[in-house]
Amino acid sequence: AQSVTQLGSHVSVSEGALVLLRCNYSSSVPPYLFWYVQYPNQGLQLLLKYTTGATLVKGINGFEAEFKKSETSFHLTKPSAHMSDAAEYFCAVSYDNQGGKLIFGQGTELSVKP
Amino acid sequence: GAGVSQTPSNKVTEKGKYVELRCDPISGHTALYWYRQSLGQGPEFLIYFQGTGAADDSGLPNDRFFAVRPEGSVSTLKIQRTERGDSAVYLCASSLTSGSGGNEQFFGPGTRLTVL
Repeated sequence: AQSVTQLGSHVSVSEGALVLLRCNYSSSVPPYLFWYVQYPNQGLQLLLKYTTGATLVKGINGFEAEFKKSETSFHLTKPSAHMSDAAEYFCAVSYDNQGGKLIFGQGTELSVKP
Repeated sequence: GAGVSQTPSNKVTEKGKYVELRCDPISGHTALYWYRQSLGQGPEFLIYFQGTGAADDSGLPNDRFFAVRPEGSVSTLKIQRTERGDSAVYLCASSLTSGSGGNEQFFGPGTRLTVL
């Protein structure tokens, strides 16, 4: 069965430190890959996505992610955390033969300490 | 332009009652998706529409849940005989088309349903 696993339900970093949020997927074919961010009391917002081409994808707010097929991973990184990055982050996958419905991981809550 | 809107933002009901949740997608988006997000979990797919028809309703948990999109725009998620376990945030998303799995979905703010 297709699934998404996010390692660590809570991640805490200091302001200015590296942010690394982990995402692995399980499927026999490579999916489309997404990272969404959810700020308190707001809707999900797309950070970045991988469809085809270059495996290193840059998104909004300085975030980037790299698709590694051999590791079935799509980890999200940001070189220097900012207080405004504190939010819930969701990794998701979709497939062409499933109408684009998203399968989400359980989410990682990012805290940024001053 | 206007994003996806959902009404009401909060709904409190009693066990056994009927509720309707409304979603207004972005104008021109033909694909519309419903998801349910329980506390501390990621959103889970319920149903999606391509135009007026439900193309995939495999995520609906049981026959108490039903959704319609009669004119290919606004959609209503209907829950009969609500149970406490139905309490969650119900999210709606739309995209230009569902033809490609890589299309971005734009999410509404959600409706928080509480069943007492």
